[in-house]
Amino acid sequence: DTAVSQTPKYLVTQMGNDKSIKCEQNLGHDTMYWYKQDSKKFLKIMFSYNNKELIINETVPNRFSPKSPDKAHLNLHINSLELGDSAVYFCASSPPRGGLFFGPGTRLTVL
Amino acid sequence: EDKVVQSPLSLVVHEGDTVTLNCSYEVTNFRSLLWYKQEKKAPTFLFMLTSSGIEKKSGRLSSILDKKELFSILNITATQTGDSAIYLCAVVNDSWGKLQFGAGTQVVVTP
Repeated sequence: DTAVSQTPKYLVTQMGNDKSIKCEQNLGHDTMYWYKQDSKKFLKIMFSYNNKELIINETVPNRFSPKSPDKAHLNLHINSLELGDSAVYFCASSPPRGGLFFGPGTRLTVL
Repeated sequence: EDKVVQSPLSLVVHEGDTVTLNCSYEVTNFRSLLWYKQEKKAPTFLFMLTSSGIEKKSGRLSSILDKKELFSILNITATQTGDSAIYLCAVVNDSWGKLQFGAGTQVVVTP
């Protein structure tokens, strides 16, 4: 299946821990994103990579660090997790013509 | 400051009713406007609109863009309970496809 996939789908962890979320797309898109959706269902862009190069870096704490080993993967590493980091994190990719293809989301709960 | 505003924030209708969702925007370098349907976690793509006055249809859903008045509407006719979801509007305002989302409209269709 051609899609954007994320792992894990659910992540429950303690404050202060470090965790990573992985994202892969097999759609051949050059651009990938991380979005954060908060409890109010509002989606905010965090990062965007185009062909492994960081092109958008919104105002995000530097505890969040994206890594793109190749254009099909964009991982998100979070250090020293805080309660406010609890949210659903969506990975997405887009073709040159526009539109977004979202992954299934990762629900992060920080206790 | 760029903004995307959706209205209403929520509505409840009976099966068979028609709903109209609104999305207005003020962004620089507008490129396209997208509608998404979000059930549970991951939004699914509905429409991408780039030209004024051209209606896009998919089954009971249709959407149109007015670039002069800076808004779009999403219509759902003969609603079904499966249409219950949050409908997200997003605007692309740069060449990298960065989306700016509205807060969404929650639609509840009752039997």
